[in-house]
Amino acid sequence: NAGVTQTPKFRILKIGQSMTLQCTQDMNHNYMYWYRQDPGMGLKLIYYSVGAGITDKGEVPNGYNVSRSTTEDFPLRLELAAPSQTSVYFCASSYLAGVYEQYFGPGTRLTVT
Amino acid sequence: TQLLEQSPQFLSIQEGENLTVYCNSSSVFSSLQWYRQEPGEGPVLLVTVVTGGEVKKLKRLTFQFGDARKDSSLHITAAQPGDTGLYLCAGALTGTASKLTFGTGTRLQVTL
Repeated sequence: NAGVTQTPKFRILKIGQSMTLQCTQDMNHNYMYWYRQDPGMGLKLIYYSVGAGITDKGEVPNGYNVSRSTTEDFPLRLELAAPSQTSVYFCASSYLAGVYEQYFGPGTRLTVT
Repeated sequence: TQLLEQSPQFLSIQEGENLTVYCNSSSVFSSLQWYRQEPGEGPVLLVTVVTGGEVKKLKRLTFQFGDARKDSSLHITAAQPGDTGLYLCAGALTGTASKLTFGTGTRLQVTL
């Protein structure tokens, strides 16, 4: 059981470039989430999904897009990268929401220069 | 505006000391969780509290959910270096249980 896996671990982008952060979970969880974490801070929700084909915006969705074609995968797309998107990105999943534990991946550290 | 404010932001103590971390909001939460995050890793769940006034213990850690379900506290007794990390509270707002709102975080360092 790998849990939640994320690729890549690190990435440096130039301003205006695009990229996709990959996230896969093997726990058959319905809910999946993308967060960003700026240095020394808490987590801010970017997008989340309650099941395949269903996504919704979180607190800070601008500049990002997501899709959820399968239960396992929840990629995050960055279009036209900006320095403000420099952050650590975490993907998480949970069986259901509310009281259920969210399981986090190891994170992707992204720098935009 | 941050919905969940944690205090203190930073705490550096010596092994054996006690400490309390607070998580406060003006909003009501249907449940609240505490996570610990170590450098270079994702957060890991410590506890979930769901009832106002609820107290849960996890070895040397004691968690309390406020009576009005707007605040929570984490008390560590006799801190050890292994307790070092970033502590995050996260709440599910009443009516929006699909997602969690995370607090601002408390970074704890315990030295020998």
